[in-house]
Amino acid sequence: GAVVSQHPSRVICKSGTSVKIECRSLDFQATTMFWYRQFPKKSLMLMATSNEGSKATYEQGVEKDKFLINHASLTLSTLTVTSAHPEDSSFYICSASITGSGQETQYFGPGTRLLVL
Amino acid sequence: GDSVTQMEGPVTLSEEACLTINCTYTATGYPSLFWYVQYPGEGLQLLLKATKADDKGSNKGFEATYRKETTSFHLEKGSVQVSDSAVYFCALSDPQAGTALIFGKGTTLSVSS
Repeated sequence: GAVVSQHPSRVICKSGTSVKIECRSLDFQATTMFWYRQFPKKSLMLMATSNEGSKATYEQGVEKDKFLINHASLTLSTLTVTSAHPEDSSFYICSASITGSGQETQYFGPGTRLLVL
Repeated sequence: GDSVTQMEGPVTLSEEACLTINCTYTATGYPSLFWYVQYPGEGLQLLLKATKADDKGSNKGFEATYRKETTSFHLEKGSVQVSDSAVYFCALSDPQAGTALIFGKGTTLSVSS
């Protein structure tokens, strides 16, 4: 149980285009989903916290107009990287916490590798 | 602010060797502590956790004890296997700082037969 999927697993795009990444909780409802960015040899950096039906809460330094997050249902959150540039190339990981369980235990997706040319 | 510091890797061991990956933390409140593992090509998985001082988390032969006096949560295993090769992340969740996880930088473990 508690499986989180991400799609796509990797994407290559041209500079200036937008890329959408989906995060789904497959067998549970997730009131809260989190989006992280992982740089090589660096820790995961929290980008934003996404609550179903409301606006995402972004961490300091993360451009909300560039990284659009939508949490349309209890099983789906999307991250759209708008007007992507090479410096946006990274590994993006989502996680979800089970509704009513408290937010301590997060279940992570496998990640999406984005390469912007 | 809250932070997690874990030992730099990579850690290279032979099968059946003992493992210790050090992790220390700073927090303003009373955090919960976690170890996550990321196997090659897979997402992070919760390995073990401890929610209060002196708690010991354990799973798959790994153990870590929440030491408030030394603000540490070192990961240990008495006999590693090749299948333990992965990246290990120490993390904390501090209710006073919000519920988001704060991760260490990760330690790569490579076990050879």
